Amino acid sequence: AQSVAQPEDQVNVAEGNPLTVKCTYSVSGNPYLFWYVQYPNRGLQFLLKYITGDNLVKGSYGFEAEFNKSQTSFHLKKPSALVSDSALYFCAVRDRNTGFQKLVFGTGTRLLVSP
Amino acid sequence: GAVVSQHPSRVICKSGTSVKIECRSLDFQATTMFWYRQFPKQSLMLMATSNEGSKATYEQGVEKDKFLINHASLTLSTLTVTSAHPEDSSFYICSARMGITGNTIYFGEGSWLTVV
Repeated sequence: AQSVAQPEDQVNVAEGNPLTVKCTYSVSGNPYLFWYVQYPNRGLQFLLKYITGDNLVKGSYGFEAEFNKSQTSFHLKKPSALVSDSALYFCAVRDRNTGFQKLVFGTGTRLLVSP
Repeated sequence: GAVVSQHPSRVICKSGTSVKIECRSLDFQATTMFWYRQFPKQSLMLMATSNEGSKATYEQGVEKDKFLINHASLTLSTLTVTSAHPEDSSFYICSARMGITGNTIYFGEGSWLTVV
């Protein structure tokens, strides 16, 4: 079964510092990986995805993620955090077993950026 | 990016009544839409997958007679919570996949349901 793990419930970082939100995955075959962000009382916003190609994927709001096949990871990164980046971040993988129909989500990581 | 609209964003209903939540893809056709439920400080739980023109596929443990899903057109799916109870109070989020082969799934803003 496809699965995604986000080992950190919360990540704290000071504004201006680089941030990393970790994600590891377990899939059969090639993964389709996604990052979404959720602000309080809102739906999810798409940040970026890895389907194929370059391992470093650039997305919205200055975020990027690096696909590492050997470590089965897809960590989300940003060189310089903003207070407005504080939100809940979800890593997800498209479920190959359902013909890529479903998204399987991690448990989410809350990012708190302090001024 | 693609826009998915949910309505209403917040709804309060009395126990025993039914409430309908709409999910629309505003600028693309969505052959497949998904309905999720999210409890406070938790991840999203997939409730069902709806395909335009056919019956929804429900996840294990989700009551299909309680959570009625209709996907009558390529831009609209509805979730009706029937005979609502206070334990049905939750944040419901829909999402839609662009076209038949679209890789990205876009989410609505969510709907808060409170059953009193």
